[in-house]
Amino acid sequence: GESVGLHLPTLSVQEGDNSIINCAYSNSASDYFIWYKQESGKGPQFIIDIRSNMDKRQGQRVTVLLNKTVKHLSLQIAATQPGDSAVYFCAEMAGNMLTFGGGTRLMVKP
Amino acid sequence: EPEVTQTPSHQVTQMGQEVILRCVPISNHLYFYWYRQILGQKVEFLVSFYNNEISEKSEIFDDQFSVERPDGSNFTLKIRSTKLEDSAMYFCASSVGQPQHFGDGTRLSIL
Repeated sequence: GESVGLHLPTLSVQEGDNSIINCAYSNSASDYFIWYKQESGKGPQFIIDIRSNMDKRQGQRVTVLLNKTVKHLSLQIAATQPGDSAVYFCAEMAGNMLTFGGGTRLMVKP
Repeated sequence: EPEVTQTPSHQVTQMGQEVILRCVPISNHLYFYWYRQILGQKVEFLVSFYNNEISEKSEIFDDQFSVERPDGSNFTLKIRSTKLEDSAMYFCASSVGQPQHFGDGTRLSIL
């Protein structure tokens, strides 16, 4: 049978509000970090990335913040839309291996 | 926009049988990867492939697994003798450097 899956933390926000999704990473040697969005039945979709020599990077409606001191990564989504509803994964890279976090489910209420 | 394509979308196989999962990476990409995601769990790295050889692999990628780039466009993952616990979504990804771009996966069901 199937093993018990991870309980996904869920963030529920009102359409138009800003969303903040947090992630703690584990490897202090990681030098590259990515946020992926995964919709049901689809593969991870790249959103934004950041290298360890930066602490902030902005894209279209998204911002990633990196705090290496406490090994914390966050994704901010401005003016959240229903199409943003998905599971969001942070991932860290050391060497050539990408290690994914457990994911957060974002639900956007109309 | 170019994308990674995977076939089949769903593969059902008897335990103990061999299975081959197929991927067509984005055409100018040089690095190729396989990941798996057991239902409700994290995406887990299996293997990376560059310059026609494995560059890194995880503990999951044991002797039952192999990868091949047979013709310069396809990238395949073979599981030699499937087990029940191999049931998962298998994602292929490719990249020039970073980031990695993922396909929509093959759902592998082992009976």
